[in-house]
Amino acid sequence: DAKTTQPPSMDCAEGRAANLPCNHSTISGNEYVYWYRQIHSQGPQYIIHGLKNNETNEMASLIITEDRKSSTLILPHATLRDTAVYYCIVMGGSQGNLIFGKGTKLSVKP
Amino acid sequence: GAVVSQHPSWVICKSGTSVKIECRSLDFQATTMFWYRQFPKQSLMLMATSNEGSKATYEQGVEKDKFLINHASLTLSTLTVTSAHPEDSSFYICSAREAAFYTEAFFGQGTRLTVV
Repeated sequence: DAKTTQPPSMDCAEGRAANLPCNHSTISGNEYVYWYRQIHSQGPQYIIHGLKNNETNEMASLIITEDRKSSTLILPHATLRDTAVYYCIVMGGSQGNLIFGKGTKLSVKP
Repeated sequence: GAVVSQHPSWVICKSGTSVKIECRSLDFQATTMFWYRQFPKQSLMLMATSNEGSKATYEQGVEKDKFLINHASLTLSTLTVTSAHPEDSSFYICSAREAAFYTEAFFGQGTRLTVV
């Protein structure tokens, strides 16, 4: 079973920041938080991952709370092409399996 | 990120025949590969995990004799759906990871299988 809880859907206005929350209250010390997204009828796309520090790359930022029980994925300037299902996954580094939950369907609107 | 190529993108086959799907890591050596299936409006379900040169580990409820997985090299894994039936129609997706350099896994574009 997935170890994360995400809202089923969210809307965001084009050009605004999209903040996608994820709860992972049972995360253990060696487990990372990964974010992927899936655009309709395509394979999932890796976005970002982190252990305990906040992370930023060209696609997004990942904010992890100090107790690591929740995190937020931030798309700073959402575009229509960011409309997708976003999955938050907890996995133990290079040895674990990616188990997908139901994700959050993000709809970016003009 | 690294590139994973899956072939074919879609396939239609007759009931009772077998279908092979290929998954290749193009610019890295995949020590571990994963196979998923996804039904419409549902999330990805992990079917099996394979390490290069070893037998695949199947998730509970996945028939190993029906879904044959081969990971003979560090860049290629294949999934063969044997004696396919209409209920096997689904979106099959592979993923690959190179443990020494990436902790994240990268996904192929998926294969849409339709059994008629």
